[in-house]
Amino acid sequence: DGGITQSPKYLFRKEGQNVTLSCEQNLNHDAMYWYRQDPGQGLRLIYYSQIVNDFQKGDIAEGYSVSREKKESFPLTVTSAQKNPTAFYLCASKMVQGTNEKLFFGSGTQLSVL
Amino acid sequence: RKEVEQDPGPFNVPEGATVAFNCTYSNSASQSFFWYRQDCRKEPKLLMSVYSSGNEDGRFTAQLNRASQYISLLIRDSKLSDSATYLCVVNNNNDMRFGAGTRLTVKP
Repeated sequence: DGGITQSPKYLFRKEGQNVTLSCEQNLNHDAMYWYRQDPGQGLRLIYYSQIVNDFQKGDIAEGYSVSREKKESFPLTVTSAQKNPTAFYLCASKMVQGTNEKLFFGSGTQLSVL
Repeated sequence: RKEVEQDPGPFNVPEGATVAFNCTYSNSASQSFFWYRQDCRKEPKLLMSVYSSGNEDGRFTAQLNRASQYISLLIRDSKLSDSATYLCVVNNNNDMRFGAGTRLTVKP
C-alpha cells in the first residue's frame, strides 16, 4: 500500500531527553511537512522540506530539528530545548499533479512528557 | 498577525441548515488554497481545493477573493455527518499553512 507511515503512535519523553519521530512515505512526493496540533487547535507548521537535503523553518521550529537525507524519510527530533512538547504530531507529504495539489497525512504520533 | 485566520466557531446548527466559514490570509503572493476536514483525533483530509472562479462539489461551495485575501466555504443542507473541524490551508511555494480550524456540530 502507498502512503505515509508515522511511528510510534504514542511516545513518552522524560525531562531533558531528545526523542525522534519517524515519518516515511513511498508516494515519491518531493515535499514533506511536520505539524504540531494542540488540543482544540489547528495545525502549526514546524518544518517543511521541498527536496532532499533541504528544509525550511515553519512558525514553531524552536526546540525541533529535522533531516532529509532520503526522499522517503523526514524524521523530526524533539530536543530538550522544547519545553512544552506534549502534543499530537502530524507528518504529511504533498502530491502535485498539474494544478492538483493534495497533502497526504500520516496517522500521527501523540507525544507526552513523563 | 497570523498568516491564516479563521472564524473561531464553534458553529452549532440544525440538520438542513446552511453554514458558511470564512478564512483570511496575509500573504498576497499565496498561490493555492484548500479546505480540509478533520474528525476528532484523526488526520485532516482534503475536502476541496479553492479556485479563483469558485467551485462546487455537491453541497459544498468554495470561493476565493484574491483582492480581499479571503476564502470561504459554504455547506448547504447540512447533515449530521458534516460535524467536524474545517481547516483552511494556504500555500506559498510549498509553505502550507493551516488556519486554527472551525468546529461545526450539526444537530438533529
